[in-house]
Amino acid sequence: DIVMTQSPDSLAVSLGERATINCKSSQSVFYSPNNKNYLAWYQQKPGQPPKLLIYWASTRESGVPDRFSGSGSGTDFTLTISSLQAEDVAVYYCQQYYATPPRTFGQGTKVEIK
Amino acid sequence: QVRLQEPGPGLVEPSQTLSLTCTVFAGSFTSDGYYWTWIRQRPGKGLEWIGYIYNNGDTNYNPSLRSRLTISLDTSENQFSLNLNSVTAADTAVYYCARESGDGHNGYLDSWGQGTLVTVSS
Repeated sequence: DIVMTQSPDSLAVSLGERATINCKSSQSVFYSPNNKNYLAWYQQKPGQPPKLLIYWASTRESGVPDRFSGSGSGTDFTLTISSLQAEDVAVYYCQQYYATPPRTFGQGTKVEIK
Repeated sequence: QVRLQEPGPGLVEPSQTLSLTCTVFAGSFTSDGYYWTWIRQRPGKGLEWIGYIYNNGDTNYNPSLRSRLTISLDTSENQFSLNLNSVTAADTAVYYCARESGDGHNGYLDSWGQGTLVTVSS
């Protein structure tokens, strides 16, 4: 299995400040024939299902605010919230879809307001 | 806009079979390129991929659950189902159905049901 490890487990950021979440995979999720990283980011608010934010490591899902961005390649990825808003309080998960079975998720990072 | 719906919360006795059905609304169920997926989340924990089924019936299961798991589909009803047998308390979780989209072989989960809590208890 590809193990996904996120850091930190939680972080508290002031409103309007930048939040950065890291995700590391135990093996590369980059597929060179199509130059794509098979990595997605999800946001989960309490009592709700996860919501897709980013796919192919850096493509923002339709309707997702542009303060959310994804970067990285190979085994190291980052989700950045450029200016934290109150509605961004949530748990964020990375997921690899390079290999199956199984698809695997990171353990989650909880983002709170400082 | 596709919508997925699971049933309401349920209770299953230990050693019995957990059965869930997800209904897909607004098209795409038989379209190529989509994998119909089950995910679960134990209380207070992270997300666990259970498995998926394609519109031709091909399946892919999490090896940790494979011996107890069956995912099937009913294209006439736009539904796909999960059956997990010999359940224990460790199977207590919110179960989500979701649609995987991508490049036709590997993809991301772009639509999710609201989730249903299944409790395993006598």
